[in-house]
Amino acid sequence: DGGITQSPKYLFRKEGQNVTLSCEQNLNHDAMYWYRQDPGQGLRLIYYSQIVNDFQKGDIAEGYSVSREKKESFPLTVTSAQKNPTAFYLCASRRGAGTDTQYFGPGTRLTVL
Amino acid sequence: GNSVTQMEGPVTLSEEAFLTINCTYTATGYPSLFWYVQYPGEGLQLLLKATKADDKGSNKGFEATYRKETTSFHLEKGSVQVSDSAVYFCALLAGTALIFGKGTTLSVSS
Repeated sequence: DGGITQSPKYLFRKEGQNVTLSCEQNLNHDAMYWYRQDPGQGLRLIYYSQIVNDFQKGDIAEGYSVSREKKESFPLTVTSAQKNPTAFYLCASRRGAGTDTQYFGPGTRLTVL
Repeated sequence: GNSVTQMEGPVTLSEEAFLTINCTYTATGYPSLFWYVQYPGEGLQLLLKATKADDKGSNKGFEATYRKETTSFHLEKGSVQVSDSAVYFCALLAGTALIFGKGTTLSVSS
């Protein structure tokens, strides 16, 4: 089965701790994205990567970091500098140049206590 | 800048009622437009899309037409089912990333 997996589905952390959210895809897609969703809000772009070893900041990158060492993996680290990290985090991927459709993973709900 | 505005919800309908969810956009040029659906606790699923003016996207009984003159992409379905209860997001493609509306919650009762 091809798709995007995010783990874990629910994550709890204490305030001040860094936490890394996993995103893996076996679709052979070039581009990957991280979005944040808050209640009653649309999705906002955190970071995106169009090729391995390259990534760009989105609209709300402060307090987050990413890496893209492998085509299939795009982990997101929520650092202690993120002032309000509790949210639903969604990873997406897109096949590549000339395509416009993004496909989403099931999401990770992060709660910082 | 680029933006998407959706009608605020929640929208509450009885089964077999007609559905319209309004979506208007502001963008440079003619971006691709999308409707995504999110079921409780899940990620987003692509519902339909349109890539140029006057295109009609359709899927599972849902339709939306890309209207350049009114910068709109309203979602419609002729007869909703309880299983259509979800949050619906309108989005446009700006460069390589999606710009989303805030979402409209649809609740269908039997």
